[in-house]
Amino acid sequence: KNQVEQSPQSLIILEGKNCTLQCNYTVSPFSNLRWYKQDTGRGPVSLTIMTFSENTKSNGRYTATLDADTKQSSLHITASQLSDSASYICVVTGGSYIPTFGRGTSLIVHP
Amino acid sequence: DGGITQSPKYLFRKEGQNVTLSCEQNLNHDAMYWYRQDPGQGLRLIYYSQIVNDFQKGDIAEGYSVSREKKESFPLTVTSAQKNPTAFYLCASSIGVVQETQYFGPGTRLLVL
Repeated sequence: KNQVEQSPQSLIILEGKNCTLQCNYTVSPFSNLRWYKQDTGRGPVSLTIMTFSENTKSNGRYTATLDADTKQSSLHITASQLSDSASYICVVTGGSYIPTFGRGTSLIVHP
Repeated sequence: DGGITQSPKYLFRKEGQNVTLSCEQNLNHDAMYWYRQDPGQGLRLIYYSQIVNDFQKGDIAEGYSVSREKKESFPLTVTSAQKNPTAFYLCASSIGVVQETQYFGPGTRLLVL
């Protein structure tokens, strides 16, 4: 069964600090991995997308990494801002092209 | 403005009643999706459509129905057969199904009275 596991479940950091969110998956075969940001009560917004051949991709202060051998990905947030408070969702798509969603990591940035 | 819209933002349903959630997109995307989100759980796929007049069941289609008569519209009906309909419903669209980023609407929160 395809699964996507994210850790930690929740995280609290101070404004200006860095943090790293983890994603492990068992989806096979692998097509792509995406990170989404979801503000409370809103729809998710795509941050990055990576295919098998890519091992890092940046979008401003967000940097995603992918290790397809160990089936792990991370999302690093640099110099966090209050607006980064949200849920971050890892999504992996396999051969069926139907995505499998992780449960998300809830990030709270305190001033 | 280009985008994907959902209405209403909040919807109340009485037991035994069918309700329909609207989803419209003007992105000219071929593929559209409906997801359900419950607290502490990942999004679960209800139905998806790759092209007009065609749709497939997702992981939790029981108690739901859809139609895709127009490219820009993909309404979801929550029927009385869905015993636990209270959830946050998200509609999404993408250019195609293969390796394409999905763009999400703002969501509809359905509450059962």
